[in-house]
Amino acid sequence: DQQVKQNSPSLSVQEGRISILNCDYTNSMFDYFLWYKKYPAEGPTFLISISSIKDKNEDGRFTVFLNKSAKHLSLHIVPSQPGDSAVYFCAAAGGTSYGKLTFGQGTILTVHP
Amino acid sequence: GAVVSQHPSWVICKSGTSVKIECRSLDFQATTMFWYRQFPKQSLMLMATSNEGSKATYEQGVEKDKFLINHASLTLSTLTVTSAHPEDSSFYICSGPGLANSEQFFGPGTRLTVL
Repeated sequence: DQQVKQNSPSLSVQEGRISILNCDYTNSMFDYFLWYKKYPAEGPTFLISISSIKDKNEDGRFTVFLNKSAKHLSLHIVPSQPGDSAVYFCAAAGGTSYGKLTFGQGTILTVHP
Repeated sequence: GAVVSQHPSWVICKSGTSVKIECRSLDFQATTMFWYRQFPKQSLMLMATSNEGSKATYEQGVEKDKFLINHASLTLSTLTVTSAHPEDSSFYICSGPGLANSEQFFGPGTRLTVL
């Protein structure tokens, strides 16, 4: 049972344009959401997070939007840079499982120069 | 952010042998650390929660007798894959909790290949 889903396995974007990565979840107990960036053979690196009491959080080029009614979140990267090319995972936490993260399948982002 | 190291970064072993993977928090102390596994082109799956001074908590479907976890100190957790088989070949990653709610800092991972 996949509680966190990233339905797009890959995304290709031109440098300078916006990248939008999407994530859906099914567990209504989740109340904290995170985005991680991962390169091959490396551990994930934390990017940005959002609490369920907010609907938007911004940090530089990265903005995460949360739509609780739709159980959907998205990560916007603007402007996209070639160095952003990586696998992006969304993760969710909440309920009684403090600290435990449930990850989506990941989306491979490729930013072309 | 906090720094988590893993050793070794990759290991190749024969079927039936045991492999130990170390996870260290270098600049913080952690009473709890997490072990994940990632198969190729799949998501990171939480295997177990490592608790300093007590038994690890395993996720459903993870064999506790096969994946032995020891959290001997506030900076070291070890995962031992016992009697490894080819299907155990995977990328194993540990993490420690950060200051923010649910934020975790991940180690670089260990690539295990069982022949």
